[in-house]
Amino acid sequence: GAVVSQHPSWVICKSGTSVKIECRSLDFQATTMFWYRQFPKQSLMLMATSNEGSKATYEQGVEKDKFLINHASLTLSTLTVTSAHPEDSSFYICSARQPGLEAFFGQGTRLTVV
Amino acid sequence: DAKTTQPPSMDCAEGRAANLPCNHSTISGNEYVYWYRQIHSQGPQYIIHGLKNNETNEMASLIITEDRKSSTLILPHATLRDTAVYYCIVSYSSGGSYIPTFGRGTSLIVHP
Repeated sequence: GAVVSQHPSWVICKSGTSVKIECRSLDFQATTMFWYRQFPKQSLMLMATSNEGSKATYEQGVEKDKFLINHASLTLSTLTVTSAHPEDSSFYICSARQPGLEAFFGQGTRLTVV
Repeated sequence: DAKTTQPPSMDCAEGRAANLPCNHSTISGNEYVYWYRQIHSQGPQYIIHGLKNNETNEMASLIITEDRKSSTLILPHATLRDTAVYYCIVSYSSGGSYIPTFGRGTSLIVHP
Protein backbone atom coordinates (compact mmCIF):
# COMPACT_ATOMS: atom_id res chain seq x y z
CA GLY A 1 0.00 0.00 0.00
CA ALA A 2 0.87 3.66 -0.14
CA VAL A 3 3.32 5.09 2.38
CA VAL A 4 2.61 7.95 4.73
CA SER A 5 5.51 9.14 6.84
CA GLN A 6 5.21 11.14 10.04
CA HIS A 7 8.02 12.98 11.75
CA PRO A 8 9.05 12.96 14.51
CA SER A 9 7.97 9.62 15.95
CA TRP A 10 8.15 11.05 19.43
CA VAL A 11 8.88 14.43 20.96
CA ILE A 12 9.19 15.84 24.45
CA CYS A 13 8.72 19.57 24.89
CA LYS A 14 8.42 22.06 27.69
CA SER A 15 5.10 23.54 28.63
CA GLY A 16 4.44 26.75 26.73
CA THR A 17 6.51 25.89 23.68
CA SER A 18 5.26 24.94 20.22
CA VAL A 19 5.78 21.66 18.41
CA LYS A 20 5.47 20.94 14.71
CA ILE A 21 4.61 17.50 13.36
CA GLU A 22 5.07 16.70 9.68
CA CYS A 23 3.07 14.27 7.60
CA ARG A 24 4.25 13.29 4.13
CA SER A 25 2.76 11.07 1.47
CA LEU A 26 5.81 9.45 -0.08
CA ASP A 27 4.51 7.81 -3.24
CA PHE A 28 1.25 9.54 -4.02
CA GLN A 29 -0.32 12.97 -4.09
CA ALA A 30 -2.63 13.46 -1.15
CA THR A 31 -5.44 15.84 -1.94
CA THR A 32 -6.89 15.30 1.53
CA MET A 33 -5.18 14.78 4.85
CA PHE A 34 -6.66 14.06 8.23
CA TRP A 35 -5.24 14.62 11.72
CA TYR A 36 -6.24 12.49 14.67
CA ARG A 37 -5.45 12.42 18.36
CA GLN A 38 -5.51 9.29 20.47
CA PHE A 39 -5.40 9.12 24.26
CA PRO A 40 -4.39 5.91 26.06
CA LYS A 41 -6.87 3.06 25.72
CA GLN A 42 -9.15 5.19 23.53
CA SER A 43 -9.98 5.26 19.85
CA LEU A 44 -8.72 7.77 17.33
CA MET A 45 -10.49 11.13 17.50
CA LEU A 46 -10.61 13.17 14.32
CA MET A 47 -9.25 16.66 14.88
CA ALA A 48 -9.37 18.19 11.43
CA THR A 49 -9.56 17.57 7.71
CA SER A 50 -7.45 19.52 5.27
CA ASN A 51 -7.48 19.77 1.50
CA GLU A 52 -4.40 20.96 -0.34
CA GLY A 53 -4.40 24.72 -0.69
CA SER A 54 -7.45 25.23 1.51
CA LYS A 55 -8.00 26.02 5.15
CA ALA A 56 -8.49 23.03 7.40
CA THR A 57 -11.93 22.07 8.68
CA TYR A 58 -11.79 21.47 12.41
CA GLU A 59 -14.02 19.15 14.39
CA GLN A 60 -16.19 20.58 17.12
CA GLY A 61 -14.23 21.25 20.27
CA VAL A 62 -10.82 21.43 18.57
CA GLU A 63 -9.21 24.86 18.90
CA LYS A 64 -8.00 25.97 15.50
CA ASP A 65 -5.71 28.61 16.99
CA LYS A 66 -4.01 26.02 19.15
CA PHE A 67 -3.68 23.28 16.56
CA LEU A 68 -2.45 24.95 13.39
CA ILE A 69 -2.72 22.84 10.27
CA ASN A 70 -1.01 23.67 7.01
CA HIS A 71 -1.49 21.61 3.86
CA ALA A 72 0.63 23.61 1.48
CA SER A 73 1.45 20.88 -1.02
CA LEU A 74 0.05 17.60 -2.27
CA THR A 75 2.62 15.65 -0.29
CA LEU A 76 3.00 17.56 2.96
CA SER A 77 0.77 18.62 5.83
CA THR A 78 1.94 19.95 9.17
CA LEU A 79 0.29 20.14 12.56
CA THR A 80 1.68 22.70 14.99
CA VAL A 81 0.65 22.45 18.62
CA THR A 82 1.07 25.97 19.93
CA SER A 83 1.71 26.82 23.57
CA ALA A 84 1.63 23.17 24.48
CA HIS A 85 0.46 22.09 27.92
CA PRO A 86 0.63 18.71 29.65
CA GLU A 87 -2.99 17.97 28.72
CA ASP A 88 -1.93 18.12 25.06
CA SER A 89 0.25 15.08 25.62
CA SER A 90 -1.14 12.43 23.31
CA PHE A 91 -0.54 10.25 20.27
CA TYR A 92 -1.07 12.28 17.09
CA ILE A 93 -1.71 10.45 13.83
CA CYS A 94 -2.06 11.76 10.31
CA SER A 95 -3.75 10.15 7.36
CA ALA A 96 -3.60 10.91 3.66
CA ARG A 97 -5.61 9.93 0.65
CA GLN A 98 -6.09 10.64 -3.00
CA PRO A 99 -9.50 10.79 -4.65
CA GLY A 100 -11.34 7.50 -4.90
CA LEU A 101 -8.83 5.55 -2.84
CA GLU A 102 -8.64 4.50 0.77
CA ALA A 103 -6.79 6.51 3.39
CA PHE A 104 -3.36 5.50 4.59
CA PHE A 105 -1.97 6.39 7.98
CA GLY A 106 1.33 7.58 9.33
CA GLN A 107 3.06 5.77 12.16
CA GLY A 108 2.02 8.40 14.68
CA THR A 109 3.83 10.93 16.88
CA ARG A 110 3.97 10.54 20.64
CA LEU A 111 3.94 14.04 22.18
CA THR A 112 4.84 14.48 25.82
CA VAL A 113 4.62 17.95 27.32
CA VAL A 114 6.49 18.42 30.58
CA ASP B 1 -20.57 9.32 15.94
CA ALA B 2 -19.25 6.12 14.46
CA LYS B 3 -21.87 4.30 12.43
CA THR B 4 -20.68 0.82 13.32
CA THR B 5 -20.94 -1.56 16.25
CA GLN B 6 -18.25 -4.10 17.06
CA PRO B 7 -17.65 -6.42 20.01
CA PRO B 8 -15.05 -4.89 22.33
CA SER B 9 -12.82 -7.93 22.43
CA MET B 10 -12.27 -11.35 20.94
CA ASP B 11 -9.65 -14.02 21.13
CA CYS B 12 -8.47 -16.64 18.73
CA ALA B 13 -6.01 -19.52 18.73
CA GLU B 14 -2.96 -19.17 16.53
CA GLY B 15 -3.46 -20.86 13.17
CA ARG B 16 -7.23 -20.72 13.36
CA ALA B 17 -9.49 -18.36 11.49
CA ALA B 18 -10.45 -15.14 13.23
CA ASN B 19 -13.92 -13.89 12.32
CA LEU B 20 -14.55 -10.31 13.37
CA PRO B 21 -18.15 -9.05 13.04
CA CYS B 22 -19.36 -5.53 12.44
CA ASN B 23 -22.89 -4.16 12.41
CA HIS B 24 -23.65 -1.16 10.22
CA SER B 25 -27.42 -1.18 10.00
CA THR B 26 -27.70 2.47 8.89
CA ILE B 27 -25.32 2.13 5.96
CA SER B 28 -26.47 3.95 2.85
CA GLY B 29 -26.32 2.66 -0.70
CA ASN B 30 -23.11 4.42 -1.70
CA GLU B 31 -21.15 3.82 1.47
CA TYR B 32 -18.28 1.38 1.58
CA VAL B 33 -17.16 -0.79 4.47
CA TYR B 34 -13.49 -0.34 5.35
CA TRP B 35 -11.41 -2.32 7.79
CA TYR B 36 -8.25 -1.08 9.48
CA ARG B 37 -6.21 -2.44 12.34
CA GLN B 38 -3.94 -0.77 14.85
CA ILE B 39 -1.11 -2.54 16.53
CA HIS B 40 -0.08 -1.01 19.82
CA SER B 41 1.54 2.43 19.49
CA GLN B 42 1.41 2.44 15.70
CA GLY B 43 -0.79 4.14 13.14
CA PRO B 44 -3.75 2.21 11.70
CA GLN B 45 -3.04 -0.16 8.83
CA TYR B 46 -5.46 -0.53 5.94
CA ILE B 47 -6.73 -4.10 5.51
CA ILE B 48 -9.57 -4.28 3.02
CA HIS B 49 -12.76 -2.58 1.88
CA GLY B 50 -15.89 -3.44 -0.09
CA LEU B 51 -19.24 -2.15 -1.26
CA LYS B 52 -21.52 -5.16 -1.59
CA ASN B 53 -19.54 -8.03 -3.03
CA ASN B 54 -17.26 -10.17 -0.93
CA GLU B 55 -13.63 -9.21 -1.22
CA THR B 56 -10.36 -11.03 -0.63
CA ASN B 57 -6.76 -9.91 -0.61
CA GLU B 58 -3.49 -11.21 0.75
CA MET B 59 -4.37 -10.13 4.27
CA ALA B 60 -8.01 -11.02 4.76
CA SER B 61 -11.47 -11.66 3.38
CA LEU B 62 -14.47 -9.41 3.78
CA ILE B 63 -17.95 -10.90 3.77
CA ILE B 64 -20.81 -8.41 3.46
CA THR B 65 -24.38 -9.58 4.01
CA GLU B 66 -26.85 -9.20 1.19
CA ASP B 67 -28.72 -6.42 3.00
CA ARG B 68 -25.35 -4.77 3.73
CA LYS B 69 -26.28 -4.23 7.36
CA SER B 70 -23.38 -6.24 8.67
CA SER B 71 -20.05 -7.64 7.61
CA THR B 72 -17.35 -10.01 8.82
CA LEU B 73 -13.62 -9.68 8.47
CA ILE B 74 -11.90 -13.03 8.23
CA LEU B 75 -8.24 -13.61 8.97
CA PRO B 76 -7.92 -17.15 7.62
CA HIS B 77 -4.90 -18.27 9.64
CA ALA B 78 -4.33 -15.92 12.54
CA THR B 79 -0.81 -15.42 13.84
CA LEU B 80 0.44 -13.79 17.02
CA ARG B 81 1.30 -10.71 14.98
CA ASP B 82 -2.38 -10.26 14.15
CA THR B 83 -3.03 -9.22 17.76
CA ALA B 84 -4.36 -5.69 17.34
CA VAL B 85 -7.43 -3.48 17.56
CA TYR B 86 -9.57 -3.89 14.44
CA TYR B 87 -11.76 -1.04 13.27
CA CYS B 88 -14.72 -1.29 10.93
CA ILE B 89 -15.54 2.02 9.23
CA VAL B 90 -18.40 2.97 6.96
CA SER B 91 -17.85 5.86 4.60
CA TYR B 92 -18.31 7.13 1.10
CA SER B 93 -15.52 6.36 -1.29
CA SER B 94 -14.87 9.74 -2.80
CA GLY B 95 -15.08 13.44 -2.36
CA GLY B 96 -15.39 15.33 0.88
CA SER B 97 -17.68 12.72 2.34
CA TYR B 98 -14.87 10.23 2.86
CA ILE B 99 -13.77 10.86 6.41
CA PRO B 100 -12.48 7.82 8.29
CA THR B 101 -14.25 8.02 11.65
CA PHE B 102 -13.25 5.45 14.23
CA GLY B 103 -15.40 3.72 16.80
CA ARG B 104 -13.99 1.66 19.65
CA GLY B 105 -13.07 -1.30 17.49
CA THR B 106 -12.48 -4.92 18.50
CA SER B 107 -9.37 -5.87 20.43
CA LEU B 108 -8.29 -9.20 18.99
CA ILE B 109 -5.88 -11.30 20.99
CA VAL B 110 -4.30 -14.25 19.22
CA HIS B 111 -2.93 -16.77 21.68
CA PRO B 112 -0.54 -19.68 21.14
